[in-house]
Amino acid sequence: DAGVTQSPTHLIKTRGQHVTLRCSPISGHKSVSWYQQVLGQGPQFIFQYYEKEERGRGNFPDRFSARQFPNYSSELNVNALLLGDSALYLCASSPRVRTGAFGNTIYFGEGSWLTVV
Amino acid sequence: AQSVTQPDIHITVSEGASLELRCNYSYGATPYLFWYVQSPGQGLQLLLKYFSGDTLVQGIKGFEAEFKRSQSSFNLRKPSVHWSDAAEYFCAVVISGNTGKLIFGQGTTLQVKP
Repeated sequence: DAGVTQSPTHLIKTRGQHVTLRCSPISGHKSVSWYQQVLGQGPQFIFQYYEKEERGRGNFPDRFSARQFPNYSSELNVNALLLGDSALYLCASSPRVRTGAFGNTIYFGEGSWLTVV
Repeated sequence: AQSVTQPDIHITVSEGASLELRCNYSYGATPYLFWYVQSPGQGLQLLLKYFSGDTLVQGIKGFEAEFKRSQSSFNLRKPSVHWSDAAEYFCAVVISGNTGKLIFGQGTTLQVKP
């Protein structure tokens, strides 16, 4: 089975522009999460979506938004790009939204490298 | 607030030597713990996870980790390191009952000397 797939893999944008990143989860996974990884740091949680509803939001400005589609794929949108938005954006999928007694393994895609100039 | 600390930013070991990467978390309730590995320019690959049961868990690529509640630790070990193990290693925690949000440590860069 295919893993988590993300597109595009690399992109360069100018300050003030808008960007859309896309993610397809592992087949059967209904939860999708987005993370931002700035160079030299661990990933930071941005959003989690489950069944098309937002289930969690990290400490990111309103310029960041996301949505999930009926097929469980997801888009991350960032408006008014800043230089500081340059990072690796990781998408992760998991079977469930909550971690219960049987756990909830979270799998990551290869990421989308965003450079803002 | 919940947090994960990886005290060692950079570790260098010789090929064939043993390895231990440290991870400490701060949270009072039952944590669910993960170790991920990231090669340069790549995404995160899951090495192993702990949800419950046996506190010594086995993962892929010969790695293992031990959960010690009394020390709030989940250290990653490998008895004999291979040059291909050179990468960035991240410890992460999911808080039970949360929405599945992972909290990551800062990461430990492993360099392997020939």
